[in-house]
Amino acid sequence: DAKTTQPNSMESNEEEPVHLPCNHSTISGTDYIHWYRQLPSQGPEYVIHGLTSNVNNRMASLAIAEDRKSSTLILHRATLRDAAVYYCILRDTGTASKLTFGTGTRLQVTL
Amino acid sequence: DTAVSQTPKYLVTQMGNDKSIKCEQNLGHDTMYWYKQDSKKFLKIMFSYNNKELIINETVPNRFSPKSPDKAHLNLHINSLELGDSAVYFCASSKATHTEAFFGQGTRLTVV
Repeated sequence: DAKTTQPNSMESNEEEPVHLPCNHSTISGTDYIHWYRQLPSQGPEYVIHGLTSNVNNRMASLAIAEDRKSSTLILHRATLRDAAVYYCILRDTGTASKLTFGTGTRLQVTL
Repeated sequence: DTAVSQTPKYLVTQMGNDKSIKCEQNLGHDTMYWYKQDSKKFLKIMFSYNNKELIINETVPNRFSPKSPDKAHLNLHINSLELGDSAVYFCASSKATHTEAFFGQGTRLTVV
């Protein structure tokens, strides 16, 4: 599985935008970039995914570099409820495709 | 309605016992998974089933046996429980093998 690298932790003020970076220099052409988050004492939750173009949904935006070797998850206005561990995961489209979780970025949101 | 539900939520048992964790999804998905999250919070896939067929079987002791009676259910049976099996076990499902996964709330297993 291609590897991703994320900062261990980040802090943000409430109501501010948050940019969570992810490096994936060994990404292959068939790898999708997925983001999940895990709130305290809960199961992981899907956030967003993309292949080449930037993506938006009700939760976040995903900005993908032109060479696809990095991406950024953007939370437009962080709230206290966004405090979680955010995982950037590469996932191919094969039959035995799996989500391989790394250590993620722990996002702290303060008032 | 909970999309992916696991029972029980908490399980405390003695070493050597056999226990099962049940998982059900009402999303009509074809693929289901079991993940283990250890005390250091690492999430690792254990098994994946697609249309009731096992497609991923990571390096898991054969004391762990998944059973999928139908596409909506994937149960996990664990024999001869050991202290190191203590963890949170998450069930998940997805429409296909590569699409977004929906996770249950987890089962916290404590072996004493």
